[in-house]
Amino acid sequence: GAGVSQTPSNKVTEKGKYVELRCDPISGHTALYWYRQSLGQGPEFLIYFQGTGAADDSGLPNDRFFAVRPEGSVSTLKIQRTERGDSAVYLCASSLKGQGTEQFFGPGTRLTVL
Amino acid sequence: LAKTTQPISMDSYEGQEVNITCSHNNIATNDYITWYQQFPSQGPRFIIQGYKTKVTNEVASLFIPADRKSSTLSLPRVSLSDTAVYYCLVGDMYSSASKIIFGSGTRLSIRP
Repeated sequence: GAGVSQTPSNKVTEKGKYVELRCDPISGHTALYWYRQSLGQGPEFLIYFQGTGAADDSGLPNDRFFAVRPEGSVSTLKIQRTERGDSAVYLCASSLKGQGTEQFFGPGTRLTVL
Repeated sequence: LAKTTQPISMDSYEGQEVNITCSHNNIATNDYITWYQQFPSQGPRFIIQGYKTKVTNEVASLFIPADRKSSTLSLPRVSLSDTAVYYCLVGDMYSSASKIIFGSGTRLSIRP
């Protein structure tokens, strides 16, 4: 498809488990963003990639969260030792160049930690 | 770091013009203003972006006064499908993405 895709759409896991969330950005978009959205709140920035490198990871809440984008396209957000407070919708967005350009969002992955 | 303030919710009727105002008193010289729309169970969708004065596209207009301390998103002749959450955000055109803050948005409800 032409848009940003995210898999899985829903993920239910148990406290303490490890999860991986995948994002396929729009082809040719160099910038990729991860956000987390809790119910009734706006998206909260987590990390921004420009190409293969993380240009800004200041939004990652702690060292249990990690993201990679090894070939400058697909990105994976990894969460270790999940906690109930990690439950949220995780959104991915991509943009053509980065700052100042329109971000295209995926539908999100709803993570539920039991 | 510019922070935005928007009304929590607004109601209107089909066919009306809706104006949503956002305050960003601490906006910096390099900051641009962007509005996104979000439907339930979907990611946000870009509506419009501007730096100063007025910007218009096929779906909305954005009015920005000279001091840039606020901006107004104008939706002409709304329909039921415009019911959504609208986010105003400001971001530095030359710095990292972390300065882009969405806030809680304005929940717009359109009635028949």
